[in-house]
Amino acid sequence: GQQLNQSPQSMFIQEGEDVSMNCTSSSIFNTWLWYKQEPGEGPVLLIALYKAGELTSNGRLTAQFGITRKDSFLNISASIPSDVGIYFCAGQPLNAGNMLTFGGGTRLMVKP
Amino acid sequence: EPEVTQTPSHQVTQMGQEVILRCVPISNHLYFYWYRQILGQKVEFLVSFYNNEISEKSEIFDDQFSVERPDGSNFTLKIRSTKLEDSAMYFCASSGGTGPSYEQYFGPGTRLTVT
Repeated sequence: GQQLNQSPQSMFIQEGEDVSMNCTSSSIFNTWLWYKQEPGEGPVLLIALYKAGELTSNGRLTAQFGITRKDSFLNISASIPSDVGIYFCAGQPLNAGNMLTFGGGTRLMVKP
Repeated sequence: EPEVTQTPSHQVTQMGQEVILRCVPISNHLYFYWYRQILGQKVEFLVSFYNNEISEKSEIFDDQFSVERPDGSNFTLKIRSTKLEDSAMYFCASSGGTGPSYEQYFGPGTRLTVT
């Protein structure tokens, strides 16, 4: 099956710093989505990307759908303590209906 | 804002017992999903459901699992004879309706512990 490689696995940064994380795959995806998960909760949708090359923002978050359709990145600018959590990329594989394949997650820790 | 709800939040069961996990998807959504997340691991797709039938399922979703939409609001996942390795967080998700079908919204999850 399709695998999503997400990096880095974890980041420990100072409040106010910018953050970048990415997902890559050997397979093409129709759609890329980025989720945030906090302890004991379900993933919360942050950004959805539909077209290759698309760059989309949601507040301090910016994500891009790679031109090859095999990768995506998420940037968080001016991080704040409430950005703490695990960020997952998820892709909708070609010819697989609506199922999502998830990356392994990036654990973000922010020091005030 | 509409949200997916799940009950119970935590279910403890003995190996071999049947469990039913319940979900109420967002009311105008048409697509429904179950995912699971073993502690510390990534979220894994189990099954998707549309128009009262399964549309996709993964290798994990074997004969021990079944899904049902018994009425206009609930969506359930049944595990017939639980195994220790079924211990995980189970997330229900829904999508579609007036929004894109691939924007899936997740519930808070049910933690299943099999002893």
